[in-house]
Amino acid sequence: QKEVEQDPGPLSVPEGAIVSLNCTYSNSAFQYFMWYRQYSRKGPELLMYTYSSGNKEDGRFTAQVDKSSKYISLFIRDSQPSDSATYLCAMSAAGQNFVFGPGTRLSVLP
Amino acid sequence: NAGVTQTPKFQVLKTGQSMTLQCAQDMNHNSMYWYRQDPGMGLRLIYYSASEGTTDKGEVPNGYNVSRLNKREFSLRLESAAPSQTSVYFCASSEGRGQPQHFGDGTRLSIL
Repeated sequence: QKEVEQDPGPLSVPEGAIVSLNCTYSNSAFQYFMWYRQYSRKGPELLMYTYSSGNKEDGRFTAQVDKSSKYISLFIRDSQPSDSATYLCAMSAAGQNFVFGPGTRLSVLP
Repeated sequence: NAGVTQTPKFQVLKTGQSMTLQCAQDMNHNSMYWYRQDPGMGLRLIYYSASEGTTDKGEVPNGYNVSRLNKREFSLRLESAAPSQTSVYFCASSEGRGQPQHFGDGTRLSIL
């Protein structure tokens, strides 16, 4: 079992839809969580950084962490074609390096 | 506002050739990282440098060496390139381990 699992997609949604992207993990020591957006042929761009459980909101993006279920989510409201990209989750335990999921490819159709 | 700069952007090598990938950051970050990204595998850590003067192996260090030249620069060297090292290589930096990482735009490396 991989340490971090992520559905590779592709996930196709119509413009304006609410998108839910998810990662599951096996290491209960993980307490730092990140979401990145990666456009084709570009480097990952940090979207959200959260510590421990709970929600964090930034504009159209909401990150949610459920440590009891070892499950994290990224919600995108009012999705736009410009949101079409690959979304990577990453997580780490204290003092450790981050482990990345393989990414979910999202396509928002106009 | 450069952030993390990687050179070159593209490179084609023959098996057995050597080359060095360069990375520089202008955010005064202590920690720097080298990853490779392969389809379906996600980002895998090759080497990292927690602070100037230190380097440590990551998940996939075989066939690579690194040098933390100073606080700004962290280079990755392939001594004898192999086709299995065909990949996209990303450099990243952060204030410290466990802190958000900022990435460059990658070096696309093909080894024939």
